[in-house]
Amino acid sequence: GENVEQHPSTLSVQEGDSAVIKCTYSDSASNYFPWYKQELGKRPQLIIDIRSNVGEKKDQRIAVTLNKTAKHFSLHITETQPEDSAVYFCAASRFGDGNKLVFGAGTILRVKS
Amino acid sequence: DADVTQTPRNRITKTGKRIMLECSQTKGHDRMYWYRQDPGLGLRLIYYSFDVKDINKGEISDGYSVSRQAQAKFSLSLESAIPNQTALYFCATSVGPLNTEAFFGQGTRLTVV
Repeated sequence: GENVEQHPSTLSVQEGDSAVIKCTYSDSASNYFPWYKQELGKRPQLIIDIRSNVGEKKDQRIAVTLNKTAKHFSLHITETQPEDSAVYFCAASRFGDGNKLVFGAGTILRVKS
Repeated sequence: DADVTQTPRNRITKTGKRIMLECSQTKGHDRMYWYRQDPGLGLRLIYYSFDVKDINKGEISDGYSVSRQAQAKFSLSLESAIPNQTALYFCATSVGPLNTEAFFGQGTRLTVV
């Protein structure tokens, strides 16, 4: 089955700096890659996703890149703000597999002001 | 607003007891999931269901059972709770057949003593 590895497990950045979180996946048939943000005590919520027919997607300060050949994808957050502090999860799934998401272990992002 | 609602939000139970966690949704989604969250392990899939007549095991189904009572309701049972089932449990929904955003409930924090 699919296996998703996520790095780093914790990341501290200064406010205004950029943050990058990386994930690798094992199943070459995976074709959907969402990123979820979980604030303390809250539920995970989707912040951005990318499908396998696209190499990059941006939404304001966040972007995701996908390298299908290397089977890895990354989340980029620019101009970080204190409210970006949260746990971020990457995930992967493939069409026809019940929309089952396989999650990475998560990255705790701390933005220091 | 359409939502995914879990009850109870917190529960402490004793080893060997049977416990049921309930999930209901007003999003009209056909697919429902139960995930378990443990620190450093991300979210792991326990069971998922495409519709009332369809139940599928996930990655870590041992010790758990589910029931899809209606399209909007999906409950998770621990037949005989054990301490290593102490975790944060999330219900989620999505729309098939293409892979799309999963919407999570608020979570149920279960402690087995």
